[in-house]
Amino acid sequence: IAGITQAPTSQILAAGRRMTLRCTQDMRHNAMYWYRQDLGLGLRLIHYSNTAGTTGKGEVPDGYSVSRANTDDFPLTLASAVPSQTSVYFCASSEKGSGPYGYTFGSGTRLTVV
Amino acid sequence: DQQVKQNSPSLSVQEGRISILNCDYTNSMFDYFLWYKKYPAEGPTFLISISSIKDKNEDGRFTVFLNKSAKHLSLHIVPSQPGDSAVYFCAASEAGTASKLTFGTGTRLQVTL
Repeated sequence: IAGITQAPTSQILAAGRRMTLRCTQDMRHNAMYWYRQDLGLGLRLIHYSNTAGTTGKGEVPDGYSVSRANTDDFPLTLASAVPSQTSVYFCASSEKGSGPYGYTFGSGTRLTVV
Repeated sequence: DQQVKQNSPSLSVQEGRISILNCDYTNSMFDYFLWYKKYPAEGPTFLISISSIKDKNEDGRFTVFLNKSAKHLSLHIVPSQPGDSAVYFCAASEAGTASKLTFGTGTRLQVTL
């Protein structure tokens, strides 16, 4: 299936634990992104990668790290989870920036930090 | 600082009527504007976009209008259908292939029978 796969679908995590959210795309898109969605705040960019081997910080990067070892995978790691990281996380990809067609999104990971 | 704003968190419209969703922005460097639709438990999906050199773009029941001087865009859905009930996000990006999308806070549209 063409698109973006995110795993897990949902997770309850104890505060202080380490967690990696997985994201894989099969469209050979160059750029990939991680957003978090919070009520009243919309979608906010956490980290992005314009191409394999490069990453950059978005609007809310603190507490998160990413890596882009290859074109297809873009994992997001929470080194030591805190309750404020409770959110729905969306991975997205685009062939070349946003342009007129924007991004393709995954179905999201619902994370609850307790 | 919210560069893209959707001031109406929710909107209820009767089936068959027009739905108008509004979006304002502050960054004059934005070059493309997009609307995304999101159903519960799914990721956002691209709906329609408009370039800053245009003031209108139409795709079936969906039309986006852009007023650059007012830094305002709107999405019109005519006629509204129950399947249109979703959260709609306005998004914008600056020119350049490495640009990122900046999203608004979303408007929940409910189309009633």
